[in-house]
Amino acid sequence: DAKTTQPPSMDCAEGRAANLPCNHSTISGNEYVYWYRQIHSQGPQYIIHGLKNNETNEMASLIITEDRKSSTLILPHATLRDTAVYYCIVRVTSFKTIFGAGTRLFVKA
Amino acid sequence: DTAVSQTPKYLVTQMGNDKSIKCEQNLGHDTMYWYKQDSKKFLKIMFSYNNKELIINETVPNRFSPKSPDKAHLNLHINSLELGDSAVYFCASSQPKGGLQETQYFGPGTRLLVL
Repeated sequence: DAKTTQPPSMDCAEGRAANLPCNHSTISGNEYVYWYRQIHSQGPQYIIHGLKNNETNEMASLIITEDRKSSTLILPHATLRDTAVYYCIVRVTSFKTIFGAGTRLFVKA
Repeated sequence: DTAVSQTPKYLVTQMGNDKSIKCEQNLGHDTMYWYKQDSKKFLKIMFSYNNKELIINETVPNRFSPKSPDKAHLNLHINSLELGDSAVYFCASSQPKGGLQETQYFGPGTRLLVL
């Protein structure tokens, strides 16, 4: 079973920041938080990951709370092409990744 | 320069037939995976291979037999296809970095429809 909880869907206006929350209250000290997204029926795409520090790359920022029990993925300027299902994942064991239901993000013009 | 590629993209077949899906990665990764995404859109891991050896088999029926001829390829053969096998099958690869840090790269998927 997935170790994360995400809202089933969210809306965001084009050009605005999209903030996608994720709860992972049972996360262990050595477990990373990963974010992937799946646009329509394409293969999932890696976005970002982190352990305890905040991370930023060309796609997004990841903010992890100090107690590591929750995190937020931030898309700074959402576009219509960011409409997708976003998966927050905490890896339990090597060679196995469990995907939950994710958050369906709708970016509206 | 596709990193993870799958063939075919679409596969329509009759119940009872045997079919194969091929996956290739050019990322030099040691680990490859097969996932199944059903009509409810849940993405479930089926198999994990590391250095051509089976590591994880998630209670997949024996009709599904993965084969890894080398580290760059992981093929999936399905015998006696059933209606419930209709789904999108995704291949993925990764290079473990130690501990639980591992980024996966997915192929475009193979859409299988069993009639």
